[in-house]
Amino acid sequence: DQQVKQNSPSLSVQEGRISILNCDYTNSMFDYFLWYKKYPAEGPTFLISISSIKDKNEDGRFTVFLNKSAKHLSLHIVPSQPGDSAVYFCAARGGNNRKLIWGLGTSLAVNP
Amino acid sequence: NAGVTQTPKFQVLKTGQSMTLQCAQDMNHEYMSWYRQDPGMGLRLIHYSVGAGITDQGEVPNGYNVSRSTTEDFPLRLLSAAPSQTSVYFCASSSTGTGRTRNQPQHFGDGTRLSIL
Repeated sequence: DQQVKQNSPSLSVQEGRISILNCDYTNSMFDYFLWYKKYPAEGPTFLISISSIKDKNEDGRFTVFLNKSAKHLSLHIVPSQPGDSAVYFCAARGGNNRKLIWGLGTSLAVNP
Repeated sequence: NAGVTQTPKFQVLKTGQSMTLQCAQDMNHEYMSWYRQDPGMGLRLIHYSVGAGITDQGEVPNGYNVSRSTTEDFPLRLLSAAPSQTSVYFCASSSTGTGRTRNQPQHFGDGTRLSIL
């Protein structure tokens, strides 16, 4: 039973437009959420995170929104660039548990 | 600052062979973990450690052993390799804090690609 779900395996966006990647979770104990980006043949790279005490966190072109009542978070990339083409993973954890629970990833293709 | 270093990057083994995947971090992180990534399965936690001398099982521990004798190193041992262990293995580390510094992201190595024939 997947506690963190990324329902879109892939997404294609034009350069300069907005990319929106979605993630749903089932465990109401989760209180820290992270997005990672992964290029082929490399390890995942931390992108941005959000604590459950916030509903938005912004870092340059990347913004993460958290809707606790819907148990949903999204990553917005504006404007999208070809270098953003990668697999994006959503992860979550709760309380004092250091273990991250991972989604299966969404492959983003940004077309020039 | 090298971050998390994994060796080797590639390895081919025969069924029944043993080997150790090395992981070292130079960030003085207390928490270290091993994942495997398989197509369509995302990242699955094999073993983790919250500090030197302390290890625990993750989601898929069978067939793997770990030890944590120092803060820097967290090797993963395959005792008797099986084709089902063909995968990409990632090591990650993070600092641990309390209160406002509790939430720290994990930092990953570039992976070891392991094929077992």
